Amino acid sequence: QVQLVQSGAEVKKPGASVKVSCKTSGYTFTENYMHWVRQAPGQGPEWMGWIIPYSGETYYAQKFQGRVTMTRDTSLSTAFMELRRLRYDDTAIYYCARDALGADDAFDIWGQGTKVTVSS
Amino acid sequence: EIVMTQSPPTLSVSPGERATLSCRASQSISSHNLAWYQQKPGQAPRLLIFGTSTRATGVPARFSGSGSGTEFTLTISSLQSEDFAVYYCQQYNNFWTFGQGTKVEIK
Repeated sequence: QVQLVQSGAEVKKPGASVKVSCKTSGYTFTENYMHWVRQAPGQGPEWMGWIIPYSGETYYAQKFQGRVTMTRDTSLSTAFMELRRLRYDDTAIYYCARDALGADDAFDIWGQGTKVTVSS
Repeated sequence: EIVMTQSPPTLSVSPGERATLSCRASQSISSHNLAWYQQKPGQAPRLLIFGTSTRATGVPARFSGSGSGTEFTLTISSLQSEDFAVYYCQQYNNFWTFGQGTKVEIK
């Protein structure tokens, strides 16, 4: 079955960087956009951007431009999201989520989430 | 950015009763581009409905979606114990934005 398995929880200091991985299985990695979404405690989800696994092309939400980088390794069928210059309000659960129809659609499969805590 | 506003924030319903959740978009969106998700504590969101009214694979028929323009509704016809959760609407007409959620709790 289709699965997205993310890396484990992280605790970082303000100003540091975090890199989250999302290993896929059960489908052809290059056929669907991969999105990254975060959810702060008690809040609704927030879309961060996407990567096209086939080409590596990315698009980031304006809020995160300059601080986020999304990459992929097609040989590992894995997507990565790095967020730099972490702030306290970056504390959240970060999810990877597959685009359902390939591009510009709802998110049909989600990773289990990676909790990122920013604390001094 | 299209802002999605959900109401009510919390809905108290008895098992077996009907639940109606609302979602309003700040501007008109295509009915092809509206989804609903269910999220239980400690879990990732789960896609329930896409394209306003199409149930995702494995979603029971008691879940239905409707609406157009700026007003959309998720209806759960007869609440089961496993349906108590938080529900989010999402638009993907212009990038992707989510509502703040409606928590469906046991009355």
